[in-house]
Amino acid sequence: DQQVKQNSPSLSVQEGRISILNCDYTNSMFDYFLWYKKYPAEGPTFLISISSIKDKNEDGRFTVFLNKSAKHLSLHIVPSQPGDSAVYFCAASVGGTDKLIFGTGTRLQVFP
Amino acid sequence: KAGVTQTPRYLIKTRGQQVTLSCSPISGHRSVSWYQQTPGQGLQFLFEYFSETQRNKGNFPGRFSGRQFSNSRSEMNVSTLELGDSALYLCASSSPGLGYNEQFFGPGTRLTVL
Repeated sequence: DQQVKQNSPSLSVQEGRISILNCDYTNSMFDYFLWYKKYPAEGPTFLISISSIKDKNEDGRFTVFLNKSAKHLSLHIVPSQPGDSAVYFCAASVGGTDKLIFGTGTRLQVFP
Repeated sequence: KAGVTQTPRYLIKTRGQQVTLSCSPISGHRSVSWYQQTPGQGLQFLFEYFSETQRNKGNFPGRFSGRQFSNSRSEMNVSTLELGDSALYLCASSSPGLGYNEQFFGPGTRLTVL
């Protein structure tokens, strides 16, 4: 049972444009959501997070939106840069635990 | 401040053997979690240790075990290795006060079972 889903395995965006990565979840008990970026041969790197009491969180070029009624979150990267090319994972947790449930990832490619 | 370190980085074992992987968290971090990443299943939570106690456990067979020492360093052990255990094993550490569940990952140990 995949509780966190990233239905787009890959996304290709031109440099300078907006990248939108999507994530859906099924467990209504999730109360904290995170986005991680992963390069090959490295561990995931934390990008941005959002609590279920908010619907938006912004950090520089990265913004995460949460729609609880739709059980959907998205990561916006504006403007996209070639260095953003990586695999992006969304993750969720319940009740403040460190047990993260990850999506399957979306490979973002930003081309010049 | 040094990041999360994992040793060894690469490991090759044969079926039936056992393996021990090591993780040193960021200094001051007391929680250590382990994840398995495979192409088919993605990133899956194995277990979490805090102050030498297992606090959470994922859905893995009993062949997978772990422990944490008083200095917060952690080890995970896999006994009777199977081909399907080939994966990237990631360790992550976190500390109260740095943010809600912001875990910092190490580079992983790539385990190949032949």
